[in-house]
Order: sequence, then structure tokens, then C-alpha cells
Amino acid sequence: NAGVTQTPKFRVLKTGQSMTLLCAQDMNHEYMYWYRQDPGMGLRLIHYSVGEGTTAKGEVPDGYNVSRLKKQNFLLGLESAAPSQTSVYFCASRIPGTVNYGYTFGSGTRLTVV
Amino acid sequence: DAKTTQPNSMESNEEEPVHLPCNHSTISGTDYIHWYRQLPSQGPEYVIHGLTSNVNNRMASLAIAEDRKSSTLILHRATLRDAAVYYCIPSGGSNYKLTFGKGTLLTVNP
Repeated sequence: NAGVTQTPKFRVLKTGQSMTLLCAQDMNHEYMYWYRQDPGMGLRLIHYSVGEGTTAKGEVPDGYNVSRLKKQNFLLGLESAAPSQTSVYFCASRIPGTVNYGYTFGSGTRLTVV
Repeated sequence: DAKTTQPNSMESNEEEPVHLPCNHSTISGTDYIHWYRQLPSQGPEYVIHGLTSNVNNRMASLAIAEDRKSSTLILHRATLRDAAVYYCIPSGGSNYKLTFGKGTLLTVNP
């Protein structure tokens, strides 16, 4: 049972390059989330999805795009990377409609933009 | 979202109980109190949640004040593996989202 898998685990980008982070979950969860975590800070919500084909903005969406073409996958894209996007990115998923099941997080993608 | 106040850091000895406090005086009546922890170099993991009554699970206990303006996460016997940042997060509704503060860094001494 893999849970939430994030790829890649590490990446170094040059300013202006683009990339896509992949989040995959095998728990049939409807809701999925992308967060970023800067040093010494808590996680901040970038975008989220409440189902296949739907996405919504979170607290810090600028500079990112997302897609949820399949229920099990949630992609986070950086069209033109900036040094300010250097961070650790976490994906999470959960069952909807109840607080009785918590979020399941992936192990993160550490991104450095130089 | 309700504002939370947690100590920046706490220290404990192995096999001793740990009480991690959280103040959430602006919590709404429908918000649950969620606790997550983040071990070094890992994503957060769910610990426990509750609404009004005290809650227990295999990981921890959650004691909620009668006025719900504060709560305490209790680790009954801390182990080295419990060293982590602990986040207290009030949130509610079926579409609840987690808003993370800086949390409390728990150090466990052998």
C-alpha cells in the first residue's frame, strides 16, 4: 500500500525553466492538495482539487498551475521557475465529506531554483 | 481560520509523558481541533482530532478545555521517534482545509 507518492524527490531548476511535479495516490481519495513549506515555516496551501477535472486556488497559487485529469493523479506545474519557488512541496489526499479521516501526505519534493 | 498559539519548542525525556498545549481562543463552534506532526524530512502525519470530548487513540490523547479555547495533546510515554514538529489546527466542515502554523518542535532526550 503505497499511499501518496511524489515524484521527483529532488530537483534543481534554472530560473525560467518549467517542470511538473507528480502526485499519485492509490487510496481512491477524492480530494487532493498541494502545499509548499519554506524553511522554519508551516505548510501553505497552493491549489487543491475536490474531484477529477476540478481544481481550486489555495493561499499561495501565483506562479503555479495544476491539473487533475485522473482521480489518482494531481499535477503541479511551474511554467517559469523563480528562486522564490525554492521550497519543499508536499501533496496530500483525503476522503471527502467527513472529518473522521485525516489527510495523508507524501514525503515531499525538494525543489531548488537557481 | 482560528488563530492558534503554540510554544515554539518543548523538551522531554524518553518514556516520560509530554503535554503539548495549544490556545485557539477564536475557534468557531463547528471547528474540530486537528493535530498533526511532522518528523524530520517527512510529510506531516495525522495524530488525532476532536470536537468537544476528550479523545484517545493508539498514538496520543487529546484533552479539550470545556470552553474549547485551548487543547492539550498528550503523549503518554515519549519515545525518540516522537521527536517532531507538532501542529494544532482548528478547522471544520466537510470541505475542511488544514492551515499550518509554525507548530511546536518537540525534542526527546534519551
